[in-house]
Amino acid sequence: ETGVTQTPRHLVMGMTNKKSLKCEQHLGHNAMYWYKQSAKKPLELMFVYNFKEQTENNSVPSRFSPECPNSSHLFLHLHTLQPEDSALYLCASSQVGSGNTIYFGEGSWLTVV
Amino acid sequence: QKEVEQDPGPLSVPEGAIVSLNCTYSNSAFQYFMWYRQYSRKGPELLMYTYSSGNKEDGRFTAQVDKSSKYISLFIRDSQPSDSATYLCAMILNNAGNMLTFGGGTRLMVKP
Repeated sequence: ETGVTQTPRHLVMGMTNKKSLKCEQHLGHNAMYWYKQSAKKPLELMFVYNFKEQTENNSVPSRFSPECPNSSHLFLHLHTLQPEDSALYLCASSQVGSGNTIYFGEGSWLTVV
Repeated sequence: QKEVEQDPGPLSVPEGAIVSLNCTYSNSAFQYFMWYRQYSRKGPELLMYTYSSGNKEDGRFTAQVDKSSKYISLFIRDSQPSDSATYLCAMILNNAGNMLTFGGGTRLMVKP
Protein backbone atom coordinates (compact mmCIF):
# COMPACT_ATOMS: atom_id res chain seq x y z
CA GLU A 1 0.00 0.00 0.00
CA THR A 2 1.71 3.18 -1.22
CA GLY A 3 -0.91 5.72 -0.18
CA VAL A 4 -1.70 6.42 -3.82
CA THR A 5 -4.56 4.36 -5.24
CA GLN A 6 -5.28 4.03 -8.93
CA THR A 7 -8.30 2.53 -10.66
CA PRO A 8 -8.82 0.66 -12.84
CA ARG A 9 -5.62 -1.39 -12.77
CA HIS A 10 -6.24 -2.67 -16.30
CA LEU A 11 -8.24 -1.11 -19.10
CA VAL A 12 -8.81 -2.16 -22.69
CA MET A 13 -10.52 0.41 -24.88
CA GLY A 14 -11.29 0.93 -28.52
CA MET A 15 -10.09 3.98 -30.39
CA THR A 16 -13.56 5.54 -30.37
CA ASN A 17 -14.23 4.97 -26.65
CA LYS A 18 -14.19 7.47 -23.82
CA LYS A 19 -12.86 6.30 -20.48
CA SER A 20 -11.29 7.79 -17.37
CA LEU A 21 -8.47 6.81 -15.04
CA LYS A 22 -8.87 7.71 -11.38
CA CYS A 23 -6.26 8.43 -8.72
CA GLU A 24 -6.63 9.16 -5.02
CA GLN A 25 -3.84 9.99 -2.59
CA HIS A 26 -4.15 9.49 1.16
CA LEU A 27 -0.87 11.18 2.09
CA GLY A 28 -1.99 14.77 2.55
CA HIS A 29 0.24 15.94 -0.29
CA ASN A 30 -0.21 19.17 -2.22
CA ALA A 31 0.94 18.08 -5.67
CA MET A 32 -0.24 15.31 -7.99
CA TYR A 33 1.12 14.01 -11.27
CA TRP A 34 0.35 11.83 -14.27
CA TYR A 35 3.26 9.95 -15.82
CA LYS A 36 3.32 7.66 -18.85
CA GLN A 37 5.61 4.64 -18.96
CA SER A 38 6.09 2.85 -22.28
CA ALA A 39 8.29 -0.12 -23.00
CA LYS A 40 11.97 0.77 -23.27
CA LYS A 41 11.37 4.50 -22.66
CA PRO A 42 11.97 6.64 -19.58
CA LEU A 43 9.08 7.81 -17.48
CA GLU A 44 7.38 10.71 -19.25
CA LEU A 45 5.81 13.44 -17.17
CA MET A 46 2.41 14.36 -18.58
CA PHE A 47 0.71 16.72 -16.14
CA VAL A 48 1.45 18.38 -12.81
CA TYR A 49 -1.06 19.86 -10.41
CA ASN A 50 0.09 22.02 -7.47
CA PHE A 51 -2.65 22.89 -4.99
CA LYS A 52 -5.27 21.80 -7.60
CA GLU A 53 -3.84 24.16 -10.23
CA GLN A 54 -2.31 22.69 -13.36
CA THR A 55 1.26 23.94 -13.56
CA GLU A 56 2.65 21.69 -16.26
CA ASN A 57 1.33 20.21 -19.47
CA ASN A 58 4.23 18.48 -21.10
CA SER A 59 3.06 18.82 -24.71
CA VAL A 60 0.50 16.09 -24.20
CA PRO A 61 -2.06 15.55 -27.02
CA SER A 62 -5.53 16.90 -26.32
CA ARG A 63 -6.99 13.38 -26.40
CA PHE A 64 -5.67 13.21 -22.81
CA SER A 65 -7.56 15.55 -20.51
CA PRO A 66 -6.68 15.82 -16.81
CA GLU A 67 -8.97 16.93 -14.02
CA CYS A 68 -8.08 17.71 -10.42
CA PRO A 69 -11.22 18.50 -8.38
CA ASN A 70 -9.32 18.67 -5.08
CA SER A 71 -5.84 18.02 -3.73
CA SER A 72 -6.57 14.33 -3.10
CA HIS A 73 -8.12 13.30 -6.41
CA LEU A 74 -6.85 13.30 -9.95
CA PHE A 75 -8.47 12.01 -13.14
CA LEU A 76 -7.19 11.39 -16.64
CA HIS A 77 -9.98 11.46 -19.20
CA LEU A 78 -9.24 9.52 -22.37
CA HIS A 79 -10.94 9.85 -25.75
CA THR A 80 -10.17 8.80 -29.31
CA LEU A 81 -6.85 7.28 -28.29
CA GLN A 82 -4.40 5.62 -30.65
CA PRO A 83 -2.78 2.18 -30.31
CA GLU A 84 0.56 3.90 -29.55
CA ASP A 85 -1.05 5.33 -26.40
CA SER A 86 -1.03 1.83 -24.91
CA ALA A 87 1.19 2.09 -21.83
CA LEU A 88 1.30 2.08 -18.04
CA TYR A 89 -0.15 5.32 -16.69
CA LEU A 90 1.20 6.20 -13.28
CA CYS A 91 -0.27 8.66 -10.83
CA ALA A 92 1.97 10.15 -8.17
CA SER A 93 1.87 12.69 -5.39
CA SER A 94 4.36 14.72 -3.39
CA GLN A 95 4.62 17.48 -0.81
CA VAL A 96 6.28 20.35 -2.62
CA GLY A 97 8.93 22.13 -0.55
CA SER A 98 9.35 19.21 1.82
CA GLY A 99 12.02 17.05 0.23
CA ASN A 100 9.82 16.53 -2.80
CA THR A 101 9.81 12.77 -2.61
CA ILE A 102 7.35 11.50 -5.20
CA TYR A 103 5.17 8.53 -4.30
CA PHE A 104 3.68 6.49 -7.10
CA GLY A 105 0.53 4.45 -7.39
CA GLU A 106 0.52 0.95 -8.82
CA GLY A 107 -0.42 2.24 -12.26
CA SER A 108 -3.19 1.64 -14.75
CA TRP A 109 -2.32 -0.62 -17.67
CA LEU A 110 -4.01 0.75 -20.77
CA THR A 111 -4.38 -1.15 -24.02
CA VAL A 112 -5.90 0.64 -27.00
CA VAL A 113 -7.24 -1.69 -29.67
CA GLN B 1 22.31 13.72 -25.37
CA LYS B 2 19.78 12.58 -22.77
CA GLU B 3 19.74 14.57 -19.57
CA VAL B 4 20.11 11.40 -17.48
CA GLU B 5 21.78 8.27 -18.86
CA GLN B 6 21.29 4.82 -17.40
CA ASP B 7 22.35 1.47 -18.87
CA PRO B 8 19.12 -0.50 -19.51
CA GLY B 9 20.74 -3.87 -18.83
CA PRO B 10 19.64 -6.51 -18.15
CA LEU B 11 22.24 -7.03 -15.46
CA SER B 12 22.36 -10.63 -14.30
CA VAL B 13 24.21 -11.57 -11.09
CA PRO B 14 24.30 -14.61 -8.78
CA GLU B 15 22.65 -14.45 -5.39
CA GLY B 16 24.95 -12.88 -2.79
CA ALA B 17 26.83 -10.70 -5.26
CA ILE B 18 27.45 -7.00 -4.79
CA VAL B 19 25.52 -5.05 -7.40
CA SER B 20 26.50 -1.62 -8.70
CA LEU B 21 23.92 0.44 -10.59
CA ASN B 22 24.88 3.79 -12.08
CA CYS B 23 23.56 6.96 -13.68
CA THR B 24 25.32 9.87 -15.31
CA TYR B 25 23.74 13.25 -15.83
CA SER B 26 24.54 16.39 -17.76
CA ASN B 27 22.96 19.20 -15.67
CA SER B 28 25.31 20.18 -12.86
CA ALA B 29 22.46 22.06 -11.14
CA PHE B 30 20.78 18.87 -9.93
CA GLN B 31 20.95 18.74 -6.14
CA TYR B 32 18.62 15.96 -4.96
CA PHE B 33 19.00 12.38 -6.12
CA MET B 34 16.72 9.39 -5.75
CA TRP B 35 16.64 5.71 -6.56
CA TYR B 36 13.36 3.93 -7.22
CA ARG B 37 12.75 0.19 -7.51
CA GLN B 38 10.03 -1.04 -9.83
CA TYR B 39 8.85 -4.62 -9.83
CA SER B 40 7.19 -5.99 -12.94
CA ARG B 41 3.71 -4.55 -13.49
CA LYS B 42 3.94 -2.36 -10.37
CA GLY B 43 4.55 1.32 -9.74
CA PRO B 44 8.02 2.58 -8.75
CA GLU B 45 8.74 2.70 -5.02
CA LEU B 46 11.29 5.03 -3.44
CA LEU B 47 14.41 3.28 -2.18
CA MET B 48 16.94 5.99 -1.40
CA TYR B 49 16.98 9.80 -1.28
CA THR B 50 20.18 11.81 -1.05
CA TYR B 51 21.16 15.44 -1.14
CA SER B 52 24.36 16.65 -2.83
CA SER B 53 27.58 14.64 -2.79
CA GLY B 54 28.38 11.80 -0.43
CA ASN B 55 27.15 8.41 0.67
CA LYS B 56 23.97 7.25 2.34
CA GLU B 57 23.45 3.74 3.68
CA ASP B 58 20.19 1.92 4.45
CA GLY B 59 20.52 -1.76 5.25
CA ARG B 60 21.96 -3.56 2.23
CA PHE B 61 21.64 -0.45 0.04
CA THR B 62 24.18 2.38 -0.32
CA ALA B 63 23.58 5.43 -2.50
CA GLN B 64 26.59 7.42 -3.62
CA VAL B 65 26.65 10.83 -5.32
CA ASP B 66 29.69 12.35 -6.99
CA LYS B 67 28.63 15.79 -8.19
CA SER B 68 32.07 16.64 -9.56
CA SER B 69 31.76 13.74 -11.99
CA LYS B 70 27.98 14.03 -12.37
CA TYR B 71 27.67 10.38 -11.47
CA ILE B 72 25.45 8.57 -8.99
CA SER B 73 25.50 4.95 -7.90
CA LEU B 74 23.38 2.47 -5.98
CA PHE B 75 25.15 -0.49 -4.39
CA ILE B 76 23.28 -3.57 -3.23
CA ARG B 77 25.17 -5.92 -0.90
CA ASP B 78 24.32 -9.62 -0.51
CA SER B 79 21.87 -9.41 -3.39
CA GLN B 80 18.75 -11.57 -3.20
CA PRO B 81 16.40 -12.92 -5.88
CA SER B 82 13.77 -10.56 -4.42
CA ASP B 83 15.99 -7.65 -5.54
CA SER B 84 15.22 -8.57 -9.16
CA ALA B 85 13.49 -5.48 -10.52
CA THR B 86 14.10 -2.38 -12.61
CA TYR B 87 15.99 0.38 -10.80
CA LEU B 88 15.34 3.97 -11.81
CA CYS B 89 17.48 6.91 -10.86
CA ALA B 90 15.84 10.33 -10.59
CA MET B 91 17.01 13.82 -9.77
CA ILE B 92 15.63 17.28 -9.14
CA LEU B 93 17.06 20.78 -9.19
CA ASN B 94 15.94 21.97 -5.78
CA ASN B 95 13.69 21.36 -2.84
CA ALA B 96 11.03 23.80 -3.99
CA GLY B 97 10.43 22.35 -7.40
CA ASN B 98 8.65 19.18 -8.37
CA MET B 99 10.03 18.34 -11.79
CA LEU B 100 11.89 15.07 -11.42
CA THR B 101 14.06 13.87 -14.27
CA PHE B 102 14.26 10.08 -14.55
CA GLY B 103 16.78 7.74 -16.10
CA GLY B 104 15.47 4.97 -18.30
CA GLY B 105 16.01 2.28 -15.67
CA THR B 106 18.32 -0.72 -15.33
CA ARG B 107 16.78 -4.18 -15.19
CA LEU B 108 18.46 -6.35 -12.56
CA MET B 109 18.13 -10.14 -12.34
CA VAL B 110 19.52 -11.94 -9.28
CA LYS B 111 19.74 -15.66 -9.91
CA PRO B 112 19.44 -18.15 -7.01
